[in-house]
Amino acid sequence: DAVLTQSPLSLPVTLGQPASISCRSSQNLVHDDGNTYLNWFHQRPGQSPRRLIYKVSNRDSGVPDRFSGSGSGTDFTLKITRVEAEDVGVYYCMQGSHWLWTFGQGTKVEIK
Amino acid sequence: EVQLVESGGRLVQPGGSLRLSCAASGFPFSAYPMDWVRQDPGKGLVWVSRITSDGVTTTYADFVKGRFTISRDNAKNTVYLQMSSLRVEDTAVYYCLRNDFGSPGSWGQGTLVTVSS
Repeated sequence: DAVLTQSPLSLPVTLGQPASISCRSSQNLVHDDGNTYLNWFHQRPGQSPRRLIYKVSNRDSGVPDRFSGSGSGTDFTLKITRVEAEDVGVYYCMQGSHWLWTFGQGTKVEIK
Repeated sequence: EVQLVESGGRLVQPGGSLRLSCAASGFPFSAYPMDWVRQDPGKGLVWVSRITSDGVTTTYADFVKGRFTISRDNAKNTVYLQMSSLRVEDTAVYYCLRNDFGSPGSWGQGTLVTVSS
């Protein structure tokens, strides 16, 4: 199984400041078809996870451009250029490159 | 608009059985594999099971293999998760997902299964 390790697990941030979350995989996430199915989700309390980024760097419709994803192989990053109050919650990376999908442990983002 | 609506979660005793349903709409259901993922209370997300678009092939996480059965009815646009020999550690919110080929973009609201005596 591809184990995904996120860091940090807790991220206090100041409004308007940048934030960055790392996701490292125990296995290479390049699929046989050449794509890398590394995705990022945001979950607010009491809600279902919402996908923000798919295939490393593609923003979903309606996701603000302050969110960006990058990386390759085993190392990936989600960045928020300027954190807003609505960005609080838990962020998960998830890989769909291997048949057994796995998720990172989650990073809790809160406002200082 | 894609909609996935789970139902069937409730309190059940250890060793009991339960069937979860997920009603899909807003997309060609029979064209997509479907997955179940669960989230333990206050914890992270874990993949549980998958079924191919035609319902022929199913896969399971080791911790539910032999106890859970995934199935689908393409005429009813519904996917099911039959759960048996339930354990306390199966307590979780169960989410139905449209399998967008490695990048699941559509999730249901979840249904809570509580296994307790």
